Amino acid sequence: GQSLEQPSEVTAVEGAIVQINCTYQTSGFYGLSWYQQHDGGAPTFLSYNGLDGLEETGRFSSFLSRSDSYGYLLLQELQMKDSASYFCAVRRTTDSWGKFQFGAGTQVVVTP
Amino acid sequence: NAGVTQTPKFRVLKTGQSMTLLCAQDMNHEYMYWYRQDPGMGLRLIHYSVGEGTTAKGEVPDGYNVSRLKKQNFLLGLESAAPSQTSVYFCASSSSGPTDTQYFGPGTRLTVL
Repeated sequence: GQSLEQPSEVTAVEGAIVQINCTYQTSGFYGLSWYQQHDGGAPTFLSYNGLDGLEETGRFSSFLSRSDSYGYLLLQELQMKDSASYFCAVRRTTDSWGKFQFGAGTQVVVTP
Repeated sequence: NAGVTQTPKFRVLKTGQSMTLLCAQDMNHEYMYWYRQDPGMGLRLIHYSVGEGTTAKGEVPDGYNVSRLKKQNFLLGLESAAPSQTSVYFCASSSSGPTDTQYFGPGTRLTVL
């Protein structure tokens, strides 16, 4: 089997920087995705890393290192609205196209 | 463009009752998915479909059935509901593009008594 491991919770103050790590044990996958979910809401797509390296989208960046079996989501200039759960997800090459697996999620709490 | 919609938003069932959750998307996506979300466990894939008329099992398929008779609709059925199926159910869809972007519906909160 395979699993995606994330910290369960991270707390930071407004304006700070938060890094959410995602480590995995899987032999092959197409890419690492990140989703955001506010309480009571639906997950929304944030970013995708198909290749190793850094992808930047405004205040959010995502990084992937296949050799280290590791990725992270970086949230900069934290705002109160960034309080949410963040999930990493992969689609394995050993599964049929379309079969995704999500991590358990990291609850980010932003304090004033 | 409504995106992904789910019906109903809330439902309470008694053990042994049956029901069908409806998911519809207007983005002409090939792939559709049903997930359940329980506290502390993230999203777990129940069933998915890679095109009209095709379905496949996900991570937790037992107790559920699905059908994809039309490209835009993906139905999730519970034949005999159990309290363990109390959860929030999300439907999602995606295109065949390389970025793996899934678009999620608003969710259905199901309670089985």
